[in-house]
Amino acid sequence: NAGVTQTPKFRVLKTGQSMTLLCAQDMNHEYMYWYRQDPGMGLRLIHYSVGEGTTAKGEVPDGYNVSRLKKQNFLLGLESAAPSQTSVYFCASSYRPGQGHGQFFGPGTRLTVL
Amino acid sequence: AQTVTQSQPEMSVQEAETVTLSCTYDTSENNYYLFWYKQPPSRQMILVIRQEAYKQQNATENRFSVNFQKAAKSFSLKISDSQLGDTAMYFCAFMKGGAQKLVFGQGTRLTINP
Repeated sequence: NAGVTQTPKFRVLKTGQSMTLLCAQDMNHEYMYWYRQDPGMGLRLIHYSVGEGTTAKGEVPDGYNVSRLKKQNFLLGLESAAPSQTSVYFCASSYRPGQGHGQFFGPGTRLTVL
Repeated sequence: AQTVTQSQPEMSVQEAETVTLSCTYDTSENNYYLFWYKQPPSRQMILVIRQEAYKQQNATENRFSVNFQKAAKSFSLKISDSQLGDTAMYFCAFMKGGAQKLVFGQGTRLTINP
């Protein structure tokens, strides 16, 4: 039982390049989330999904796209990376958040955009 | 909109001491859940403890306990017999009942000194 895994762990991009971050969970959770963490700003929600085939915008969605083609996977895409997207990205999943189930987090991806 | 405030950016105590981290939140909801997450230097976000707003009894998990004051909208975390491994960022988080998203505080950096 791996929990929530993220690929890659580190990445350096040049401005304008694109990339996809992969999140996978093996807990059969319906809900999945992408956050970014910047110094002094805590975690901010980028996008989330309440089930396979669904996505929704979070607090800071601009510049990102997501897809949830399979229940266990949640992809975060950057079409044209900008230095402002330098951050640590966390994926999380949850069973029934509305009933107080906590979120389980992946180990994070450190992205640097030059 | 709900907000979560952690007024202590940093704290430092000696090993074996007891430490209390503060968290206040603002909501008009009556049904909600509160969480404390730990983020050690490894970056992994770990759920420490959760509290259901409709329960008057404070949650406890081994050395970790909360002081939940619903009327004051306060949710502090007490760590007893602190250990070096407790050194981490601690985030307080709020979720409205039936909702899908967590609202995080800015975090408190806790250092346990030998």
